[in-house]
Amino acid sequence: LAKTTQPISMDSYEGQEVNITCSHNNIATNDYITWYQQFPSQGPRFIIQGYKTKVTNEVASLFIPADRKSSTLSLPRVSLSDTAVYYCLVGERNSGNTPLVFGKGTRLSVIA
Amino acid sequence: GAVVSQHPSRVICKSGTSVKIECRSLDFQATTMFWYRQFPKKSLMLMATSNEGSKATYEQGVEKDKFLINHASLTLSTLTVTSAHPEDSSFYICSARGRTVYEQYFGPGTRLTVT
Repeated sequence: LAKTTQPISMDSYEGQEVNITCSHNNIATNDYITWYQQFPSQGPRFIIQGYKTKVTNEVASLFIPADRKSSTLSLPRVSLSDTAVYYCLVGERNSGNTPLVFGKGTRLSVIA
Repeated sequence: GAVVSQHPSRVICKSGTSVKIECRSLDFQATTMFWYRQFPKKSLMLMATSNEGSKATYEQGVEKDKFLINHASLTLSTLTVTSAHPEDSSFYICSARGRTVYEQYFGPGTRLTVT
């Protein structure tokens, strides 16, 4: 599984756009990039997944450059409730028995 | 999206007793379930992977006789912490994936406190 590197923590004010970048230099051809969000004392929640270029849903956008060695999760106009840990994971989309392996994640703190 | 539930959400037990945690996939058949453990301010650590009807595969350093995993049906997996000790106190999270569910969906977690 490709190893990922992301900032340990980030701070942001309410209403700002937050961009969290993840490096995955060893990403394989069949790997997808997936982001999860975790609030304290809760299980991780799927946010978004992409393979290349840009993906957008009602929660976030995911930007992936052509070389796919990094990706950026963009959260528009964050609120206090977006304070959480965000994990970037890389792996095959339908990988059966292969579990998701979590790195340290990025702890986002949104300040009023 | 797919829903995974866990029961109980919180449990306190005395040292030396056993605790069972249930994990259910509510709207899909979970061919594979995963169990993770998470200590405060730390990331999720994979404990084991289980497929329906077969024995679980444990990660290195996880005692299979202490953490008993049963995946008897396509919608239910259980984790039993046997002879629990205070150092087993942690947040236990299950996750499931099915034949047509590409993403891994996670349960809400179970907070275990051993006194």
